Amino acid sequence: DAGVTQSPTHLIKTRGQQVTLRCSPKSGHDTVSWYQQALGQGPQFIFQYYEEEERQRGNFPDRFSGHQFPNYSSELNVNALLLGDSALYLCASRGQVYGYTFGSGTRLTVV
Amino acid sequence: QKEVEQNSGPLSVPEGAIASLNCTYSDRGSQSFFWYRQYSGKSPELIMFIYSNGDKEDGRFTAQLNKASQYVSLLIRDSQPSDSATYLCAVTPRVLAAGNKLTFGGGTRVLVKP
Repeated sequence: DAGVTQSPTHLIKTRGQQVTLRCSPKSGHDTVSWYQQALGQGPQFIFQYYEEEERQRGNFPDRFSGHQFPNYSSELNVNALLLGDSALYLCASRGQVYGYTFGSGTRLTVV
Repeated sequence: QKEVEQNSGPLSVPEGAIASLNCTYSDRGSQSFFWYRQYSGKSPELIMFIYSNGDKEDGRFTAQLNKASQYVSLLIRDSQPSDSATYLCAVTPRVLAAGNKLTFGGGTRVLVKP
């Protein structure tokens, strides 16, 4: 049973560029959330998707956007990248049972 | 005031001892409480969840919840070097929406010394 898979694993981008990160939830999970984790800090909630709609959003600018597809997979898009966007981006999925399962993350470095 | 607060550590414990981790939260209406373990460079892994006052035990781990004091703790008995990691406390908010977002503390780094 595959867990949550994220791609790519690592990414280096230049300031001002745009990036798309991808996530496939665990089998049977229909809710996908995205988190940003800066070095030495806890994950910060970006947004959550359920039934292909954004249901909740954290305190992140509109440069951060997302999408959920009919197969429950999801994308996180970040436009106009800033140096401060460098972080580990985590996707988490949830089904009917308590608790979120996290993917291995995408390490984004903005230079 | 941060929504979820943890001592950043490091919490140094000798092998075989009990590690005690604490977490406080500001939203009195918080519903559910989670402890995640995160090894350096890896993603968080769920080890415990609790939503009722009292203790919940799972193997060497015990979670304790006191909603009146807005306090949740994690005890690790018989600590092993493999328990060395950052432990993240997370809570879900008062309002139950589809899925419930997690609000994390900054994490407590635990070092178990042989």
